[in-house]
Amino acid sequence: KQEVTQIPAALSVPEGENLVLNCSFTDSAIYNLQWFRQDPGKGLTSLLLIQSSQREQTSGRLNASLDKSSGRSTLYIAASQPGDSATYLCAVSHGQNFVFGPGTRLSVLP
Amino acid sequence: DAGVTQSPTHLIKTRGQQVTLRCSPKSGHDTVSWYQQALGQGPQFIFQYYEEEERQRGNFPDRFSGHQFPNYSSELNVNALLLGDSALYLCASSYGTGATDTQYFGPGTRLTVL
Repeated sequence: KQEVTQIPAALSVPEGENLVLNCSFTDSAIYNLQWFRQDPGKGLTSLLLIQSSQREQTSGRLNASLDKSSGRSTLYIAASQPGDSATYLCAVSHGQNFVFGPGTRLSVLP
Repeated sequence: DAGVTQSPTHLIKTRGQQVTLRCSPKSGHDTVSWYQQALGQGPQFIFQYYEEEERQRGNFPDRFSGHQFPNYSSELNVNALLLGDSALYLCASSYGTGATDTQYFGPGTRLTVL
């Protein structure tokens, strides 16, 4: 059974800092991995999707990497802003559904 | 282009009641998945519908059932509500059931069971 964990559970940083969020999964036979952002009480916004054959994806200030063999992914956020404050979830897909981690709650202080 | 829409936004029920949640997929999508997200946790997969059939199911009891209509919209039904069913219910849509397809999520329905 696939299990996804995320470290840290919560993170508070001053504005402008670069930061890394971590995601680990137990079964490396995944099709893809996706990072989502969730604002309080809201739905999920897809940030980056990495196919199993890819090593990383970039979008603006965000960069996500994937190491299937070690069961790890990182989400790098450059020059953080208060508007980045949210919960960040990673999810892995084996086919027709995602298995989600518990999320990292990020607070960026002005 | 409308994204994934869900209704209602919020719902309050009492234990033992039944509830129906609705989802309209993103234009062009034919597959709908449902997830339950308890407070402070990641979403958990309930089931997926494609071609009006349940294709895959997570670890949820039979009290959770669903339906997909010819226009690809979907309903999630929960019978005999328990306090533990209180959660945010998320609907996600995609095109086909391919493993590499991105899922787009709706805003969710917040269900409170008293």
